[in-house]
Amino acid sequence: GENVEQHPSTLSVQEGDSAVIKCTYSDSASNYFPWYKQELGKGPQLIIDIRSNVGEKKDQRIAVTLNKTAKHFSLHITETQPEDSAVYFCAGLGSNYQLIWGAGTKLIIKP
Amino acid sequence: KAGVTQTPRYLIKTRGQQVTLSCSPISGHRSVSWYQQTPGQGLQFLFEYFSETQRNKGNFPGRFSGRQFSNSRSEMNVSTLELGDSALYLCASSLSLTGDSTDTQYFGPGTRLTVL
Repeated sequence: GENVEQHPSTLSVQEGDSAVIKCTYSDSASNYFPWYKQELGKGPQLIIDIRSNVGEKKDQRIAVTLNKTAKHFSLHITETQPEDSAVYFCAGLGSNYQLIWGAGTKLIIKP
Repeated sequence: KAGVTQTPRYLIKTRGQQVTLSCSPISGHRSVSWYQQTPGQGLQFLFEYFSETQRNKGNFPGRFSGRQFSNSRSEMNVSTLELGDSALYLCASSLSLTGDSTDTQYFGPGTRLTVL
């Protein structure tokens, strides 16, 4: 079936360092890949997304890269700050036009 | 403008009971989707409503149902609760102009359901 695998499940980095979260997907027809950030006690919030016609997209300290041949996409956060601590979810668009979600990565920023 | 609101925020029920959760979308949004979130499982899609019609449904048993009203507010109902139904239930609203899920989804804070 269609699924999105996300790694790692927990990532701990020193403040100021970079963090990378990776996802792979099984549906070759998927052409939309959003990333959501969920802070404690809140619902997920879209932080960046990418479509299949581009390989990379940046927004200040965050960037997403997409490799359609290998069916994987990654979230990159540079110069991490304490407020980046949260759970991050990747997702892909399934054949029924609904999002299929990864299991989430808990990002911990160490001071 | 006001965000997505969900009520109640916390709920404790016992096995066999039923529960109704409510979601008020962002003004102007006609699409409301419901998700179940459990630790380590990510978000599992339950169903989506658009203009009072269920447009899409996930792989959940018939005990899970929903509806949408003319003002776009939505409710979901779970009957005959089981211990495994304990989870955070999230709703998300979007403009959904394209009919797929590429429009940004705006999530509410969720309802934490505990089944004892």
